Amino acid sequence: AQTVTQSQPEMSVQEAETVTLSCTYDTSESDYYLFWYKQPPSRQMILVIRQEAYKQQNATENRFSVNFQKAAKSFSLKISDSQLGDAAMYFCAYRREDTASKLTFGTGTRLQVTL
Amino acid sequence: GAVVSQHPSRVICKSGTSVKIECRSLDFQATTMFWYRQFPKKSLMLMATSNEGSKATYEQGVEKDKFLINHASLTLSTLTVTSAHPEDSSFYICSAIKGHTEAFFGQGTRLTVV
Repeated sequence: AQTVTQSQPEMSVQEAETVTLSCTYDTSESDYYLFWYKQPPSRQMILVIRQEAYKQQNATENRFSVNFQKAAKSFSLKISDSQLGDAAMYFCAYRREDTASKLTFGTGTRLQVTL
Repeated sequence: GAVVSQHPSRVICKSGTSVKIECRSLDFQATTMFWYRQFPKKSLMLMATSNEGSKATYEQGVEKDKFLINHASLTLSTLTVTSAHPEDSSFYICSAIKGHTEAFFGQGTRLTVV
């Protein structure tokens, strides 16, 4: 069974600074997807970034980028120029390649952004 | 982006009654939808996979007679919490996958059983 581990229950970053959230996973599959989701206080799940396992290039979305290390099964999220609106719970998630596959979530990291 | 609408956003019901939660994909067809439960400050726990036109697949430990799932069309899945009790109080979230990769989530339903 696939597992996703987030070892940082809480992180704090100052506004405009950079923070990295860690995620490791375990799978025997070679093709899969990895995601970072943001859950603000409204509790609406918002996709931050997606990485296909077959792609060697790390995904980037504006201030968000990932460091995907397939051999190490590591998938960290870097947030640059942190903003107050980035404060939220962040969940790392894994999904097998087949369309009907479920998402497996990590336990989440609560990010605080301070002035 | 695609929209998944979940209704109601909040519901309070009396112990022993049943509550139905709807999950609709508004601008795409979803043959598969997922129902999650989230406890305060915890991660999302998958309850079941809802398959259009067939029976739902429940995760281990989830009572299928307690949490009835119906996926009657390509745009609608419903979760009915039957004979609700206070321990069923939680935040329930649905999601649907559009295309091949991306999952879209409903706004969630906060259920309180009194």
